[in-house]
Amino acid sequence: SQKIEQNSEALNIQEGKTATLTCNYTNYSPAYLQWYRQDPGRGPVFLLLIRENEKEKRKERLKVTFDTTLKQSLFHITASQPADSATYLCALDGPNTGNQFYFGTGTSLTVIP
Amino acid sequence: GAVVSQHPSWVICKSGTSVKIECRSLDFQATTMFWYRQFPKQSLMLMATSNEGSKATYEQGVEKDKFLINHASLTLSTLTVTSAHPEDSSFYICSARRTGVYNSPLHFGNGTRLTVT
Repeated sequence: SQKIEQNSEALNIQEGKTATLTCNYTNYSPAYLQWYRQDPGRGPVFLLLIRENEKEKRKERLKVTFDTTLKQSLFHITASQPADSATYLCALDGPNTGNQFYFGTGTSLTVIP
Repeated sequence: GAVVSQHPSWVICKSGTSVKIECRSLDFQATTMFWYRQFPKQSLMLMATSNEGSKATYEQGVEKDKFLINHASLTLSTLTVTSAHPEDSSFYICSARRTGVYNSPLHFGNGTRLTVT
């Protein structure tokens, strides 16, 4: 069965520091992995997609890595800001999961001013 | 671009009644839409995959007769919660994937907060 775990339910960091969130999966061989941001009472918003043959992807202050051997993705936010406070979700996609998307447990990030 | 509209944003209904939730892709076509349920401080639980012009595919443990899904066009999917009970109270979120674009991410609506009294 699908199992996608994200590190610590909640993460608090100081403004300006780098936040690192972890996504671990089992029983999968996803073709790609995605990260989403969700604010309270809202639907998730797509942030980044990384393919299985890509080691790293960047977008502004965001960086995602994908290690298919470890079955793990790391999501980094550099120079974090209070506005980055939200819940971040990883999602698995690709031929081995059919057309569906399955989401991780989510990590609630709070950036303290 | 890639806007998904979900309506209503919240609804309160009495036990035993049915509630319909609409999910529209406003500026793109979506052969496939997904319906999720989310409990407080928990992740998204996939309920079913809605396919335009064919039957929805339900996840294990989701009652298809209770959660009726209709995907009548390339831009509209509806979820009807039939004979709602208080335990059906939850946050329901739909999402759509742009047709014909490989690796297309999901575009989500803003959810529907259902409260059954």
